Amino acid sequence: AQSVAQPEDQVNVAEGNPLTVKCTYSVSGNPYLFWYVQYPNRGLQFLLKYITGDNLVKGSYGFEAEFNKSQTSFHLKKPSALVSDSALYFCAVTPRQGTASKLTFGTGTRLQVTL
Amino acid sequence: DTEVTQTPKHLVMGMTNKKSLKCEQHMGHRAMYWYKQKAKKPPELMFVYSYEKLSINESVPSRFSPECPNSSLLNLHLHALQPEDSALYLCASSLIGDTQYFGPGTRLTVL
Repeated sequence: AQSVAQPEDQVNVAEGNPLTVKCTYSVSGNPYLFWYVQYPNRGLQFLLKYITGDNLVKGSYGFEAEFNKSQTSFHLKKPSALVSDSALYFCAVTPRQGTASKLTFGTGTRLQVTL
Repeated sequence: DTEVTQTPKHLVMGMTNKKSLKCEQHMGHRAMYWYKQKAKKPPELMFVYSYEKLSINESVPSRFSPECPNSSLLNLHLHALQPEDSALYLCASSLIGDTQYFGPGTRLTVL
């Protein structure tokens, strides 16, 4: 079985400050890890993924994520937050098995960026 | 282009109605998915189609009936739904074993 934990329901940060949204995972074998963002009344938008290789993954809109195998974590980061980054962020995991597989999502973290 | 389209955007139906949700992609993806998302919750997988064949059914009630008529289209037929089935229904597609790209969803309300 696979699972994802996002320990913070909400993260508040001032515009221009760095942000971190936390994610830990559990999966058998090696994982594929993803971050998605959801704006109100919209679908999920893909931000970035980790498959293999460099532990620091760069994605869309200046976001990046750091994969830490020993801590089974995949935290989302951005050096300088924007008000427009305010949204609901989901971490997700799927086992690396080369088939069309189930994405298991965390409960989501609401990011609130204020002026 | 990573666009998945879904129609309609909104749907209101009674418990005795039959309706269908439609999803389309032209990215050459051979895997397509239906997810259900309740308010302030993460998406939950319902069905997966791989090469136009149903490969995963997450024990979804039979009042939801998926159909994949070709590699670009995915339908979800709805019949005799309950008010608790009201949710955002998301379609996604992917290359086999790769990133899933989501459509904007259909907001379903069952009266």
